[in-house]
Amino acid sequence: ETGVTQSPTHLIKTRGQQVTLRCSSQSGHNTVSWYQQALGQGPQFIFQYYREEENGRGNFPPRFSGLQFPNYSSELNVNALELDDSALYLCASSGTEGSGNTIYFGEGSWLTVV
Amino acid sequence: QKEVEQNSGPLSVPEGAIASLNCTYSDRGSQSFFWYRQYSGKSPELIMFIYSNGDKEDGRFTAQLNKASQYVSLLIRDSQPSDSATYLCAVNDYGGSQGNLIFGKGTKLSVKP
Repeated sequence: ETGVTQSPTHLIKTRGQQVTLRCSSQSGHNTVSWYQQALGQGPQFIFQYYREEENGRGNFPPRFSGLQFPNYSSELNVNALELDDSALYLCASSGTEGSGNTIYFGEGSWLTVV
Repeated sequence: QKEVEQNSGPLSVPEGAIASLNCTYSDRGSQSFFWYRQYSGKSPELIMFIYSNGDKEDGRFTAQLNKASQYVSLLIRDSQPSDSATYLCAVNDYGGSQGNLIFGKGTKLSVKP
């Protein structure tokens, strides 16, 4: 158990629709990152939020957007869904252990776009 | 283009043997290195992190880092069938944000009873 919770766990959407995925970070972690993991690939960084501000973004189009709330929970929104958006979406929270930062993932949200 | 390279495998070892997983990275500025285990259909689970050159041991796992060679490895001693999973190597994106990790595609490990 990482203390990072995500919802929903599985969902199916139609191309062109919009989806919102939710994440609650581990207690004490104020930084949340989102990743997309396609089948057979490693996770790819989408963006990160720190103190409710976007604080870094990967190579994803603007239709991928997010929010972070005062309690550090976060949302990932994807508009105009495409078939290639089908993937496992992972939320990660960051904390400091020992001499450095550690990053823990939630269980993920499986998105299928048909 | 910052990259992390891993042999996709599958790497097959007999139960009780040492499994050796390797990873190279392109960003010489990277300072934090992580190994995640991912079972099929599950999310990645952090098993080791290392920041300094040399070895770091945690139970049956040893992470080895050589920054000069831009190489990080994971040794699993006394491998068990339950260790069968995909192992993902990740490095921090130097100059990027704290939570920005660059992942390899993973090495699939199979431990045969």
